[in-house]
Amino acid sequence: KAGVTQTPRYLIKTRGQQVTLSCSPISGHRSVSWYQQTPGQGLQFLFEYFSETQRNKGNFPGRFSGRQFSNSRSEMNVSTLELGDSALYLCASSLGYPSAQETQYFGPGTRLLVL
Amino acid sequence: KNEVEQSPQNLTAQEGEFITINCSYSVGISALHWLQQHPGGGIVSLFMLSSGKKKHGRLIATINIQEKHSSLHITASHPRDSAVYICAVGDTGNQFYFGTGTSLTVIP
Repeated sequence: KAGVTQTPRYLIKTRGQQVTLSCSPISGHRSVSWYQQTPGQGLQFLFEYFSETQRNKGNFPGRFSGRQFSNSRSEMNVSTLELGDSALYLCASSLGYPSAQETQYFGPGTRLLVL
Repeated sequence: KNEVEQSPQNLTAQEGEFITINCSYSVGISALHWLQQHPGGGIVSLFMLSSGKKKHGRLIATINIQEKHSSLHITASHPRDSAVYICAVGDTGNQFYFGTGTSLTVIP
C-alpha cells in the first residue's frame, strides 16, 4: 500500500497570501489529522476529519481551515498568511475515529516558508 | 502549562547502552503514543498504549495510568536509533497533545 502523501513538499509564500495543502491518506483510511510543527512550539494539533466532517479542532485561529472529500483526501487552507505560519505541516491518517485511539501514519510533510 | 512533559530533552549514549525516556502528562487520556522523528521530518508511530506494556524488537513502552507516566526503553542501543522521540497523548476529548521531544544521539 502506498503511504500518506502530501503535496506540495515545499512552498514559499508572502505575508497576506493564502495557501492550500493537500493530503492523500493510505487507501482505506478514513480519518485524517493535521499538525503544525515549529521549532518554538513543537508539534501542535490543528484538526481531525472523519467521514468528510471536522470532528476535533485544536487551538488555532479561524484562518486555518480544512475539508475532507468523499475519497478521504483532505486539504487544509491558511488564509492571510503571517510570518509565524512558517512551519512543517504534517498530516496523518488512521483507519477510524478518533485518531487519538488509533495508530497514525504520517506523511512527509509540507514545509511552508512565509516571507 | 504543558499537558505533556518529557525528559530528558537531550540524550547521548554509547552504542549498546540501555536508554530510558520519560513522559508525564496531566490530562485524562484515552491513549498515549510514542513517535520517532528522523532528520528531515518523517514521523513514525512506535507504540500506542492505554495500559501496561508493549514490546517491539529492542523497544519497550510502559504506562502507569495512576501515576500519569510512561517510559520508552531502548535496549542495546544502535546509532540508527538516533532520532527525536516524541510522547503524545490523546485526551478524553480526543484532543492531541505533544511533548517537546527527546533528541537521542547514539555514538558508535
